[in-house]
Amino acid sequence: EAAVTQSPRNKVTVTGGNVTLSCRQTNSHNYMYWYRQDTGHGLRLIHYSYGAGNLQIGDVPDGYKATRTTQEDFFLLLELASPSQTSLYFCASSDAGRDTGQLYFGEGSKLTVL
Amino acid sequence: QQKVQQSPESLTVSEGAMASLNCTFSDGTSNNFRWYRQHSAKGLEVLVSIFSDGEKEEGRFTAHLNRANLHVSLHIREPQPSDSAVYLCAVSMNSNNRIFFGDGTQLVVKP
Repeated sequence: EAAVTQSPRNKVTVTGGNVTLSCRQTNSHNYMYWYRQDTGHGLRLIHYSYGAGNLQIGDVPDGYKATRTTQEDFFLLLELASPSQTSLYFCASSDAGRDTGQLYFGEGSKLTVL
Repeated sequence: QQKVQQSPESLTVSEGAMASLNCTFSDGTSNNFRWYRQHSAKGLEVLVSIFSDGEKEEGRFTAHLNRANLHVSLHIREPQPSDSAVYLCAVSMNSNNRIFFGDGTQLVVKP
C-alpha cells in the first residue's frame, strides 16, 4: 500500500509568516496533490503535479506556491500566510493508468495562522 | 467544472440499521467513482470504487451507480459505532487524474 508522509503535522505561525509543508510518497506514484479541508467546504484542490518539475493549478491556488522536486517529494509554500489559510492540509498521491483516481492520503497537516 | 453534492449533510442511525448516503455529480462523462471515509480529521481511506452502472460490494459497504441519473450512493450494512465518520464521494474520469470531492456526510452510529 502507498505510504504518504506529511510534515509538520501541526504548525502555528503569524500573519505574514513563511510556511513550507512537505510531502513524501514512497510508491513511485506519478501524481501528487495538495488539498485543504475546511468545515463546510470538503476537500478543495490547491495544486497538483504529474511528475518532477511539473505543476498544475487547482481550484483554490491563490496565496499558495508548490514545487515537485522529485517523484517522491511535493512541497506547498505559503510565503505570506494569512488567517484565511488556517486549515487542515492533505497531501495525496495516485498512479496513472488502471488505478486512476485512487488517492492515497497522508495524515494531514494542521496549520494555524494567528 | 464538475459539481459534486452529497446528502444528507449529517445522518444518525442506530447500530445495525442500514445507512444510506447519496452523491450527485454534474458531468455525465464521469466514469470513476469512489467513496472515502475519514475519522476525526485524519487521513482518508477508500471504501469502495465503482466504474460502471450497477452495484459494487466491498464487505459491508455497497456502492450503487446510475450514470444516467448522475447519482451514486453508498449503503452501509449493519453499521457499528466505529463507522461513525465523515464519508466523502469522489468523482473523476479515467482519462485524467482530476478528482472532485463532495462536502461529505457526517455519519453517527448510536449503540
